[in-house]
Amino acid sequence: DAKTTQPTSMDCAEGRAANLPCNHSTISGNEYVYWYRQIHSQGPQYIIHGLKNNETNEMASLIITEDRKSSTLILPHATLRDTAVYYCIVRVETGGGSNYKLTFGKGTLLTVNP
Amino acid sequence: KAGVTQTPRYLIKTRGQQVTLSCSPISGHRSVSWYQQTPGQGLQFLFEYFSETQRNKGNFPGRFSGRQFSNSRSEMNVSTLELGDSALYLCASSLGSGGKYFGPGTRLTVT
Repeated sequence: DAKTTQPTSMDCAEGRAANLPCNHSTISGNEYVYWYRQIHSQGPQYIIHGLKNNETNEMASLIITEDRKSSTLILPHATLRDTAVYYCIVRVETGGGSNYKLTFGKGTLLTVNP
Repeated sequence: KAGVTQTPRYLIKTRGQQVTLSCSPISGHRSVSWYQQTPGQGLQFLFEYFSETQRNKGNFPGRFSGRQFSNSRSEMNVSTLELGDSALYLCASSLGSGGKYFGPGTRLTVT
């Protein structure tokens, strides 16, 4: 799987948008970008994933650059409960759907301040 | 729909013992994978099962094993426990090519 680079930590004010960057310069054409987050002492939570196009769901938006070498996860209105470690993961879609593993890096600790 | 459940939530064992952890996936999910999380190594992939067959395996010794039942429930077993096996063990289930949904984990402490 392609390696990802994320900042170690970021701060955001409550109510503001949180923009979390991720570099994946060695990504291949069939590799998806996934984002998970982990709130302290809980299991990781799936947020969103995408291949080429920008994606949006009820939790966040994912912006992938045209060359696909980087992406940004956007939490439009951060709350204190969004304080967590955010992981950007690149994985290969195997075509079998369910069969793949996640290789977690160290992620970005996002701290939302009141 | 109920989420992924793991039992027990907390466990204390002694070196040399063995342990079995259980995971019930989200209803309809046929893929179950296991991860180990420690402060030093972070989240590491153990193995994945689909339709009772192991499809992927991480770089863990043979003391770590697992299985999946016909109802998609899964168990993982660690034999001859070592102090370094103390960790949060996480189970995740998935339906297709979307995200994996993790359970709350089992916190294993080896003394």
